Amino acid sequence: GAVVSQHPSWVICKSGTSVKIECRSLDFQATTMFWYRQFPKQSLMLMATSNEGSKATYEQGVEKDKFLINHASLTLSTLTVTSAHPEDSSFYICSASGRRNTEAFFGQGTRLTVV
Amino acid sequence: RKEVEQDPGPFNVPEGATVAFNCTYSNSASQSFFWYRQDCRKEPKLLMSVYSSGNEDGRFTAQLNRASQYISLLIRDSKLSDSATYLCVVKGYQKVTFGIGTKLQVIP
Repeated sequence: GAVVSQHPSWVICKSGTSVKIECRSLDFQATTMFWYRQFPKQSLMLMATSNEGSKATYEQGVEKDKFLINHASLTLSTLTVTSAHPEDSSFYICSASGRRNTEAFFGQGTRLTVV
Repeated sequence: RKEVEQDPGPFNVPEGATVAFNCTYSNSASQSFFWYRQDCRKEPKLLMSVYSSGNEDGRFTAQLNRASQYISLLIRDSKLSDSATYLCVVKGYQKVTFGIGTKLQVIP
């Protein structure tokens, strides 16, 4: 299947700093990318959906100024957690989908710990 | 009503049992359907696609009922290694929606 590479796989940062997570589709054009967050023992929660070249659409309750999403090309989307706080500590996963009716492919996830 | 609804479980079943999960979706224009498996602290991985004609892969059978807008997953002869969370996924135009997942625990 197609490959989506997400990195870093884990990051520890100080409170107040910003963290950027990259999600790359390696062998297909990802017209749509999704960013999820998952807290321990909870289900995936969609944060935002981004289509290449357009502004991301954020889910209710997700602050767009705090979670900056850029999807400037068909192979790369980034999520920047700005001014991170301990409550932002979570598992962040990206997913990419192409034009055809194929499944969504997931990145490996990024475990963020804010101390 | 949620776009994709699943019973979160947990389903605790003995080894060798048959277990079935259902998932309903609200958008009749949805185009494609999948079951994913997520192990603890890992990213979801595609288990199988779901077609109206049914899709069988070993001990796993997936079925789509467009008229009733639900999909199902049947696992026969459960193994300990089947313990995971199973996510129902519905794809439409530029949108992929995940269910909350059903947790399966296979007990020795």
